[in-house]
Amino acid sequence: ETGVTQTPRHLVMGMTNKKSLKCEQHLGHNAMYWYKQSAKKPLELMFVYNFKEQTENNSVPSRFSPECPNSSHLFLHLHTLQPEDSALYLCASSQDLQVYNEQFFGPGTRLTVL
Amino acid sequence: AQSVTQLDSQVPVFEEAPVELRCNYSSSVSVYLFWYVQYPNQGLQLLLKYLSGSTLVKGINGFEAEFNKSQTSFHLRKPSVHISDTAEYFCAVTGNDMRFGAGTRLTVKP
Repeated sequence: ETGVTQTPRHLVMGMTNKKSLKCEQHLGHNAMYWYKQSAKKPLELMFVYNFKEQTENNSVPSRFSPECPNSSHLFLHLHTLQPEDSALYLCASSQDLQVYNEQFFGPGTRLTVL
Repeated sequence: AQSVTQLDSQVPVFEEAPVELRCNYSSSVSVYLFWYVQYPNQGLQLLLKYLSGSTLVKGINGFEAEFNKSQTSFHLRKPSVHISDTAEYFCAVTGNDMRFGAGTRLTVKP
C-alpha cells in the first residue's frame, strides 16, 4: 500500500449505530487530519493530530470521537449520528504542521446516515 | 484568519479550449497558496503551489497559476483542456492554517 488509505470506502448506518472510520498513511508523516466534505461547501477541518497528540478540534460535536494510536493510524469513531452528518470524510497527512507543506489525501469514506 | 472564494461553482468548456478557474483570498498574514484536484471517487491531489519567488507557478498536467498579490488572486489556467481534466478543483490558502474554497467543477465536453 502506498499513500493514504481509508476504510471502509462506503458506510451506511442508522442513527443509533456505532461505527469507526480508519485511516492509514504510508508516507512517514507526523501530522494527520480529518475533514468533512459536503456538497457545495468548503472542506471543513475537523481534527488535527501531530505526533499522536490532538492539536485542533474545530468545535466538532462529541458524537465524533477521534483516536490516533500512532503517527501512521487515525480513527474516527461515530455514534448516534444525525442525517446531516452524511458526507464524504477525508483523511489527510503531512510531514508536519508547517503551513507550507502539502497535505496528502486518502480517497475518503462516503457516509450515509439513515 | 484566511478565507478563500472560488468565483465559479461550475465551468463547462469544450475539449482543446483554454480554461481559467478563479480564486480570490483574504488574509491578514503572509500566505501560501495551493490548487488541488479531485477526480471522481478519489481524494484531493496537489496540482501546484506558490510559496515564494516567481509569481507564475507551473504544475502537473499542464496547469499553471499566477499569484497576484495586489488583487489577492491565484487563478488557475490551462491553454488546452482534455476530457480527462473533468474534475473538481479546489483552491486553498494557508496563513495560520489551511482553508479551502468550495470548489469549481470543471466539465470538459467533446
